[in-house]
Amino acid sequence: DGGITQSPKYLFRKEGQNVTLSCEQNLNHDAMYWYRQDPGQGLRLIYYSQIVNDFQKGDIAEGYSVSREKKESFPLTVTSAQKNPTAFYLCASSISGQGPNTGELFFGEGSRLTVL
Amino acid sequence: DQQVKQNSPSLSVQEGRISILNCDYTNSMFDYFLWYKKYPAEGPTFLISISSIKDKNEDGRFTVFLNKSAKHLSLHIVPSQPGDSAVYFCAAIIGGGAQKLVFGQGTRLTINP
Repeated sequence: DGGITQSPKYLFRKEGQNVTLSCEQNLNHDAMYWYRQDPGQGLRLIYYSQIVNDFQKGDIAEGYSVSREKKESFPLTVTSAQKNPTAFYLCASSISGQGPNTGELFFGEGSRLTVL
Repeated sequence: DQQVKQNSPSLSVQEGRISILNCDYTNSMFDYFLWYKKYPAEGPTFLISISSIKDKNEDGRFTVFLNKSAKHLSLHIVPSQPGDSAVYFCAAIIGGGAQKLVFGQGTRLTINP
């Protein structure tokens, strides 16, 4: 079945540690995205990539880094510079990152990161 | 500056009745609107959308209404079922590129038996 796989589902991290969240898709989508969800807030865009080897900052990129070496993969690293990393992280993809787009995203099941 | 607002954090509706979820927006340039449904510990799933050139779109039990003059859209679910209990996000977009999606805060819908 086609879809988006995020791992791990739950992750605990000590303060000062970097952690990488995995996102893999087999939908053959060009564009991939990372969102963060906090209680009482909408989804906020961290980073996005419209094509392999290219990515752009979203609204809240500080303290995060990404790479897009393969079309299928878009890992997110939460660095120690992120002041408030405890959140639910969602990876998504869309058919195309450019041109007219209805905005329909396909989401993974999410990764919950807790900083101890 | 919250461009897309869902002012009701929660809504409780009896099974079989109509659920109405509301969303307001401030940017008149938005040309496409979407609703996503999210269960706990899962990613959102696309539910229904509407283009700004329309005022209504229907898909089974779900209907979205758009009032451009009021910058308001609503999602109607009728009849409501227990499986509809979830968080619903309204989202809006201008032009191409899903990276331009702007999400509301979400409304938690609870369907009571």
